[in-house]
Amino acid sequence: QKEVEQNSGPLSVPEGAIASLNCTYSDRVSQSFFWYRQYSGKSPELIMSIYSNGDKEDGRFTAQLNKASQYVSLLIRDSQPSDSATYLCAVTDMDTGRRALTFGSGTRLQVQP
Amino acid sequence: EAGVTQSPTHLIKTRGQQATLRCSPISGHTSVYWYQQALGLGLQFLLWYDEGEERNRGNFPPRFSGRQFPNYSSELNVNALELEDSALYLCASATGTAGETQYFGPGTRLLVL
Repeated sequence: QKEVEQNSGPLSVPEGAIASLNCTYSDRVSQSFFWYRQYSGKSPELIMSIYSNGDKEDGRFTAQLNKASQYVSLLIRDSQPSDSATYLCAVTDMDTGRRALTFGSGTRLQVQP
Repeated sequence: EAGVTQSPTHLIKTRGQQATLRCSPISGHTSVYWYQQALGLGLQFLLWYDEGEERNRGNFPPRFSGRQFPNYSSELNVNALELEDSALYLCASATGTAGETQYFGPGTRLLVL
């Protein structure tokens, strides 16, 4: 049974600061990792996917993956009030019998103007 | 390109009734996933359909069922509704490749009275 752990927050950062969101997972066969953002009452929207160890950057967002430590993180640079949302970490594996995403409970981010 | 669509947006039922939720995937996507997000809880995997077949199901009772049509759209049926079935039901679609990104629809909010 995969488990994905996230600090529920809220994580409060001032506007313009770097927000750091962390996620650990228990299943060593996990191969694909995703960060989704979910605004209150809305559906999750994809921010980043990462499959290999190291960093992956997309605009203000950087995902970091360390498979040895079973750890994935998301950095948000120059945080904006519009980034205030719940950030969901999700993992899956390449096993063709299981494709569903396993989600963490999410970290609520508050960016203070 | 149109995203994942779901209908209805809201659904109100009484205990014991049946609910039918519908999902149309992104054009070209053959996989449809259903997730439940109950208030205060994380996203839980319900069902996965690919190429018209149920491929996997999560830890939910058999009264949660569904099907996928030849055009890859899908419906989720919930029989004998219980109060705790009140939740946001999310559909996600993907191309059918292992480890690929899932894109979510706007969801159907089901309220059981």
